[in-house]
Amino acid sequence: KAGVTQTPRYLIKTRGQQVTLSCSPISGHRSVSWYQQTPGQGLQFLFEYFSETQRNKGNFPGRFSGRQFSNSRSEMNVSTLELGDSALYLCASSKDINTGELFFGEGSRLTVL
Amino acid sequence: AQKVTQAQTEISVVEKEDVTLDCVYETRDTTYYLFWYKQPPSGELVFLIRRNSFDEQNEISGRYSWNFQKSTSSFNFTITASQVVDSAVYFCAHTGTASKLTFGTGTRLQVTL
Repeated sequence: KAGVTQTPRYLIKTRGQQVTLSCSPISGHRSVSWYQQTPGQGLQFLFEYFSETQRNKGNFPGRFSGRQFSNSRSEMNVSTLELGDSALYLCASSKDINTGELFFGEGSRLTVL
Repeated sequence: AQKVTQAQTEISVVEKEDVTLDCVYETRDTTYYLFWYKQPPSGELVFLIRRNSFDEQNEISGRYSWNFQKSTSSFNFTITASQVVDSAVYFCAHTGTASKLTFGTGTRLQVTL
């Protein structure tokens, strides 16, 4: 059974640019959530999608957005990148919402210069 | 607001020693779930266990065991006879009724020969 796949794994951007990260959940999983991991702030919840609808959102500025497609694949976008956006972005999928039993991908490591 | 505290930043043990990772949580939810995840150097978070607030029964899975005590708001994790492969960062997490997890800051476990 294939796990959660995130692309790209590594990327480097400069301030002011935008980035799109992709996540393919485990087959059959309908819920996708995103987390940001930094040394200073730790793991922080970004948002959660279920059946193409955003169900929860964390405390991040509007520059962070996401969406989910009908096949449950999800993308997140960060616009007008700042140095502080450098982080490991982790995507997780679960069968349903409200279970908390999340299966994580290996993450996309974003470096903003 | 929920809060998860992992006071131990880093623990070093010699292989075959037992080690306990502490987790203390704060919540206003009457129903909630607690989790432990393992993050190896590759980056992905690996689900270890989920415990709901109504089930205070301790759990053992191989060399892993968990002690949940609502009276002290603790959910501690013990590895018996540690092995080098156990070296990782371990995160305790909490959620109420959604999949939005609140993570602790993690405990880095280093197991040496």
